[in-house]
Amino acid sequence: GQQLNQSPQSMFIQEGEDVSMNCTSSSIFNTWLWYKQDPGEGPVLLIALYKAGELTSNGRLTAQFGITRKDSFLNISASIPSDVGIYFCAGSGANSKLTFGKGITLSVRP
Amino acid sequence: GAGVSQTPSNKVTEKGKYVELRCDPISGHTALYWYRQSLGQGPEFLIYFQGTGAADDSGLPNDRFFAVRPEGSVSTLKIQRTERGDSAVYLCASSLKGSGGPYNEQFFGPGTRLTVL
Repeated sequence: GQQLNQSPQSMFIQEGEDVSMNCTSSSIFNTWLWYKQDPGEGPVLLIALYKAGELTSNGRLTAQFGITRKDSFLNISASIPSDVGIYFCAGSGANSKLTFGKGITLSVRP
Repeated sequence: GAGVSQTPSNKVTEKGKYVELRCDPISGHTALYWYRQSLGQGPEFLIYFQGTGAADDSGLPNDRFFAVRPEGSVSTLKIQRTERGDSAVYLCASSLKGSGGPYNEQFFGPGTRLTVL
């Protein structure tokens, strides 16, 4: 099925560094969501975006809804060990179902 | 308050058997969603309920898969004649409403890991 594009598959950063993740789509979405998933658990909602151009922060996390409505990015500042996990972007269009990317696995070296 | 809960957390079955997976959404959430997640992939949509009715079942892979939500709260995903390819984590999510915008923020349960031998 259709999926959003997230790359690279894995990212390795040093504790304290900032990291940016991008997500692109060939389709327009009305809502963009970013989730984090830990092993054996369900995805946890981090940030939700509803308007093109919107920039939203949640603590050390900042995300933006692209002007074209076909992309979004997530920034994590001053990374800490508990930021380790898989980060998924998800979009929804006129209907309610979410389309997910394949996820980016983030590793943080202490 | 309590989040989305799913039972069982793990289910091992044999090829050809019938299984039922249960989801308890967040209290007061009218919309409920089922997704399937294979290893190394993002969740893929299966079906969405608004209240008791299936508003969108376009993601169900074939007629072996069926889901119900008879009272508009708990939902059961049913898989008949299971196949090895059905092995995956089945995730349930709920949202306040099924419409767009903030009411569609979907909150996920921990999932049921289904293994078909």
